[in-house]
Amino acid sequence: DSQMTQSPSSLSASVGDRVSITCRADLTISNFLNWYQHKPGKAPTLLIYATSSLESGVPSRFSGSRSGTDFTLTISGLQPEDSATYYCQESSSTSFTFGPGTKVDI
Amino acid sequence: QVQLVESGGGVVQAGRSLTLSCAVSGFPFNNYGIHWVRQAPGKGLEWVSFIWYDGSNKFYAESVQGRFTISRDSSKNTVYLQMNSLRVDDTAVYYCARDKEPTRLDYWGQGILVTVSS
Repeated sequence: DSQMTQSPSSLSASVGDRVSITCRADLTISNFLNWYQHKPGKAPTLLIYATSSLESGVPSRFSGSRSGTDFTLTISGLQPEDSATYYCQESSSTSFTFGPGTKVDI
Repeated sequence: QVQLVESGGGVVQAGRSLTLSCAVSGFPFNNYGIHWVRQAPGKGLEWVSFIWYDGSNKFYAESVQGRFTISRDSSKNTVYLQMNSLRVDDTAVYYCARDKEPTRLDYWGQGILVTVSS
């Protein structure tokens, strides 16, 4: 199975800032990389699927991209409600590993 | 609307068994695979298991392979996670989630706590 790393492990930013979170896979995982937001006591929510497709209902300030084995989640114009932990997830036909998470504080 | 509701959690001694249920509604059960994902206290999300829409293929994380079994009952619109030989480090909130193509987990239950005591 591919191992996923995320950086940074945590960050602190201000309302309106642009922040980026990077997820790196140690194997080639094609474009099946998803991003989730998770707040304490709540169920995780899907933000981005297949590297760069925005899930229905998710604000357009969230976007995803890829460069080689590096996948990036960008939040453009951080909002107070974006305070959460963000996870990447590999999603091939047989492997669904999550990254270790990035905690975002506003 | 789409709903997934977990049940069956609780406190169990190490070495014993427990079965979680995920009852779904609001979408055609036989058209979707279901995942189980867990989060141990203070830890991140860990994928646990996945069953195809028709039950013909099942997948497990290495950490639970051989101890956990996933199954589904279309007559009850329910997916099960049978957990045997439970260990203290299986303590977690367990979520079930719907799989949508291309594979992503688009709807999640609220989670159920499983506590394994020593």
